[in-house]
Amino acid sequence: QVQLQESGPGLVKPSETLSLTCTVSGGSISSYYWSWIRQPAGKGLEWIGRIYTSGSTNYNPSLKSRVTMSVDTSKNQFSLKLSSVTAADTAVYYCARDLTMIVARTNWFDPWGQGTLVTVSS
Amino acid sequence: SYVLTQPPSVSVAPGKTARITCGGNNIGSKSVHWYQQKPGQAPVLVIYYDSDRPSGIPERFSGSNSGNTATLTISRVEAGDEADYYCQVWDSSSDPYVVFGGGTKLTVL
Repeated sequence: QVQLQESGPGLVKPSETLSLTCTVSGGSISSYYWSWIRQPAGKGLEWIGRIYTSGSTNYNPSLKSRVTMSVDTSKNQFSLKLSSVTAADTAVYYCARDLTMIVARTNWFDPWGQGTLVTVSS
Repeated sequence: SYVLTQPPSVSVAPGKTARITCGGNNIGSKSVHWYQQKPGQAPVLVIYYDSDRPSGIPERFSGSNSGNTATLTISRVEAGDEADYYCQVWDSSSDPYVVFGGGTKLTVL
């Protein structure tokens, strides 16, 4: 079955750029949407955005000015960059397959990666 | 933007039925999805399309959606069901498109 694994630095300095990669195994990355979702400690889930394997993206407007997503189908990977980070960006970051049903105007997430904690601190 | 409201906590005795609600304006016109998150773990999809169960999810988990409330029902609750539960919709008329409820902590007494 499809499995996802996040990777990247666990510590980022304020004002710098957070960079994470999600590696998809057990299936092809092609023809799906792929999302990033984060969760501050003790808080709820926040959708960051998603990318289709064509490179088309949708971002949460609250983060849009700082987010860039990309996909590398040859490596079965997709990536997240979040610029100008502050302590408020400290969270567990999850990648997930985004099962979007355009006609039904809905989507859901399955499966999820295990998550990676990113701390923003000097 | 679209808002999903969940009770912060629900408590239930083992063997009883737990009902977790997710409120939203005319949510019955949307498809609602539910996730279970145990401490230190990633969320797991337990219900999609209001009431469908992914493979591997026990039949004890069911969902419904009508009017302004969607409900996740867990029958014959077990200690292992203790977790946070989140509802989620896609609202194409608001930003962001993806909306999560605030989450409900299910405690098994």
